[in-house]
Amino acid sequence: EVQLVESGGGLVQPGGSLRLSCAASGFTFSSYAMSWVRQAPGKGLEWVSAISGSGGSTYYADSVKGRFTISRDNSKNTLYLQMNSLRAEDTAVYYCAKASVVAATPAYFDYWGQGTLVTVSS
Amino acid sequence: DIQMTQSPSTLSASVGDRVTITCRASQSISSWLAWYQQKPGKAPKLLIYKASSLESGVPSRFSGSGSGTEFTLTISSLQPDDFATYYCQQYNSIGTFGQGTKVEIK
Repeated sequence: EVQLVESGGGLVQPGGSLRLSCAASGFTFSSYAMSWVRQAPGKGLEWVSAISGSGGSTYYADSVKGRFTISRDNSKNTLYLQMNSLRAEDTAVYYCAKASVVAATPAYFDYWGQGTLVTVSS
Repeated sequence: DIQMTQSPSTLSASVGDRVTITCRASQSISSWLAWYQQKPGKAPKLLIYKASSLESGVPSRFSGSGSGTEFTLTISSLQPDDFATYYCQQYNSIGTFGQGTKVEIK
């Protein structure tokens, strides 16, 4: 059974940093790309970042480029999102999502974690 | 960047109704389109991929169609469990989501 469990969310001040983790199980982690998707309170889904199965290719939404870094440790079956220079508009539930193939694109998301809430506020 | 526009934003329907949601892409995405269902406080769930392929375990009352720039999600006979928000996502170029369509009880 595929499981994705996010952690690391919490309350952080504007300008601060946070690192999210997503522990994966139930599939061959290195064989699939992974993504982070976020959802601000009461709003729709926004794709944030993606990484290929090997970790060699990464992609970012314009809204987070230069501030967020996606990475993965295939030996630990874990996906990460390092978030720096956080802003109030980054407040959202952050989901990790498993892509359908090893490449980050084109790929839909066939499994999602339960999400972790990040709140950016002073 | 590819923009995705869903309509309507909200849809009021009754159990047993046939429901259709439309998603339009700002440029051709071939058939690289997925549909997701999301219930309050829950993660999205994949329903349809490649515009018309039904994900395993998803009831056959859900169907998808379209290619290029115009796509539809149809629920043939709305069930109580189907009241939720539905999102389209293009994955021709990474993954842009539509703004969502909330299906509510009439």
